[in-house]
Amino acid sequence: NAGVTQTPKFQVLKTGQSMTLQCAQDMNHEYMSWYRQDPGMGLRLIHYSVGAGITDQGEVPNGYNVSRSTTEDFPLRLLSAAPSQTSVYFCASSFRGQNYGYTFGSGTRLTVV
Amino acid sequence: AQTVTQSQPEMSVQEAETVTLSCTYDTSESNYYLFWYKQPPSRQMILVIRQEAYKQQNATENRFSVNFQKAAKSFSLKISDSQLGDTAMYFCAFMNSGAQKLVFGQGTRLTINP
Repeated sequence: NAGVTQTPKFQVLKTGQSMTLQCAQDMNHEYMSWYRQDPGMGLRLIHYSVGAGITDQGEVPNGYNVSRSTTEDFPLRLLSAAPSQTSVYFCASSFRGQNYGYTFGSGTRLTVV
Repeated sequence: AQTVTQSQPEMSVQEAETVTLSCTYDTSESNYYLFWYKQPPSRQMILVIRQEAYKQQNATENRFSVNFQKAAKSFSLKISDSQLGDTAMYFCAFMNSGAQKLVFGQGTRLTINP
């Protein structure tokens, strides 16, 4: 049981490049979310999904796209990277209706130069 | 919209001491959940303790306990007999029942000194 797996762990991008952060979970969780962590601001919700084929925007969605074609995978796409997207990104998952909090991946540290 | 505030950016105590981290939140909802997450230098987010708003009894997990004051919208974390391994960032988080979206505070960096 691997839990929530994020790849890559580190990435450096040039301004304007695109990339996809991968997230997979093997716990059959319906809910999946993407957060970004910036110093002094805690974690902020980017996008979330309540099940395959259903996604919605969180607090800071601009510049990011998501899709949920399977229960297991929830990739986050940066369309045209900007220095303001330099951050640590976390994927998290949970069962529907289970208010025990989320299980988090180990994070991706992204630097945009 | 819900907000979570942690007013202590950094704290430092000696090993074996007791330390309390503060958290306040703002919501108009009556049914919700509150969490404390620990983030050690490894970056992993680890759930420390959870409180259901409809339960008056404060949650405890070994050396970790909370003081939940619903009317004051306060949710502090007490760490007893602190250990070097408790050194980490601690985040307070709110989740509205049904919405399952976590709202985090800014975090408190806790250092336990030998």
